[in-house]
Amino acid sequence: DSGVTQTPKHLITATGQRVTLRCSPRSGDLSVYWYQQSLDQGLQFLIHYYNGEERAKGNILERFSAQQFPDLHSELNLSSLELGDSALYFCASSVRGLGGDQETQYFGPGTRLLVL
Amino acid sequence: GEDVEQSLFLSVREGDSSVINCTYTDSSSTYLYWYKQEPGAGLQLLTYIFSNMDMKQDQRLTVLLNKKDKHLSLRIADTQTGDSAIYFCAEISDTGRRALTFGSGTRLQVQP
Repeated sequence: DSGVTQTPKHLITATGQRVTLRCSPRSGDLSVYWYQQSLDQGLQFLIHYYNGEERAKGNILERFSAQQFPDLHSELNLSSLELGDSALYFCASSVRGLGGDQETQYFGPGTRLLVL
Repeated sequence: GEDVEQSLFLSVREGDSSVINCTYTDSSSTYLYWYKQEPGAGLQLLTYIFSNMDMKQDQRLTVLLNKKDKHLSLRIADTQTGDSAIYFCAEISDTGRRALTFGSGTRLQVQP
């Protein structure tokens, strides 16, 4: 158990819908990262938040957005869902994420999203 | 840009050593990681190595880093059936964004 929690574990929805994935980082970790794992794209970085502020964006679609709240939990919002958005979405956390040994990222169990 | 490559599949017999290889292109990589993913599960951090090290040993795991060739390997001694999983190599750079760049993963199959 990494200490990172994600809910829900599974999500089935229809095209065009909107969903919210939730992540709670390890106690004391300030950085939260979101990654997408799909069969064709592999593991791809989406977005990074540090202490409530967006730090970096990766291959995140404009239909997707995220935020990190004052209690440091994070939510990833996926809207206008398409079949190709079906994937495993991971959240990871690290102590700081600003360099050095505190970069090490610990992953949650993931949310498996199926868009029908 | 950053790129991390791994071979897709490795099959070994139980009790043998497994060596999983990885190459990366980003010369500013500072930390290199190995993660393990079992079927239907999340990513478990196995070990990591800082770029100024050549080797790191942790119980049955040995990580070797050749910075000149940008080559990383993970050796698992006395491989067990429970080691069957997908192993991902990942790197993080000291410049730009602080996000992991992953390889495509190596599926390790351990034959009893």
